[in-house]
Amino acid sequence: GQQLNQSPQSMFIQEGEDVSMNCTSSSIFNTWLWYKQDPGEGPVLLIALYKAGELTSNGRLTAQFGITRKDSFLNISASIPSDVGIYFCAGQPGNQFYFGTGTSLTVIP
Amino acid sequence: SQTIHQWPATLVQPVGSPLSLECTVEGTSNPNLYWYRQAAGRGLQLLFYSVGIGQISSEVPQNLSASRPQDRQFILSSKKLLLSDSGFYLCAWRTIDPDAFFGQGTRLTVV
Repeated sequence: GQQLNQSPQSMFIQEGEDVSMNCTSSSIFNTWLWYKQDPGEGPVLLIALYKAGELTSNGRLTAQFGITRKDSFLNISASIPSDVGIYFCAGQPGNQFYFGTGTSLTVIP
Repeated sequence: SQTIHQWPATLVQPVGSPLSLECTVEGTSNPNLYWYRQAAGRGLQLLFYSVGIGQISSEVPQNLSASRPQDRQFILSSKKLLLSDSGFYLCAWRTIDPDAFFGQGTRLTVV
């Protein structure tokens, strides 16, 4: 299956700090999505990106679809305690739907 | 509105026993359906996906199989469970919209 490499693997930050994470693939994707997963739950969509170079925001979250179509970035500004969780990128080369390895975020009050 | 049901929520099974996890979707037609497995603290590994009744694509050779007997029903099975089959199993669906919607997951522990 497709491998999406996500970094960093984990982050420990102070409340109020900004967060950046990225995802790369070995092949071109037509769509990039970012999800958040809380413990024991399924992932929930945060942002969807549909074309290369696209920059999209959802509140304090901003994501970008890389120009090469092989990468994507997610930024969280002014982190708050409820941002804690695991963040996943996901990409679609076709009917498949692949997820990244995840970034575990811990926000210290 | 669309909903997805996945059960059971937790399951403890002995090694060598069979497995059947079921996922049903309501409120949509002809969805793409997916089964994922997540090991503790790890990413989601795509196991199977289906674009229609009876159509199953396997992503990873393994001890599991999937079936889609009805348009909105997706079943994950095993004839004999291994310890390595333990994990958090998630079912998901999507249609034309690229977003995928997930069930609540099944926590499987093989002992």
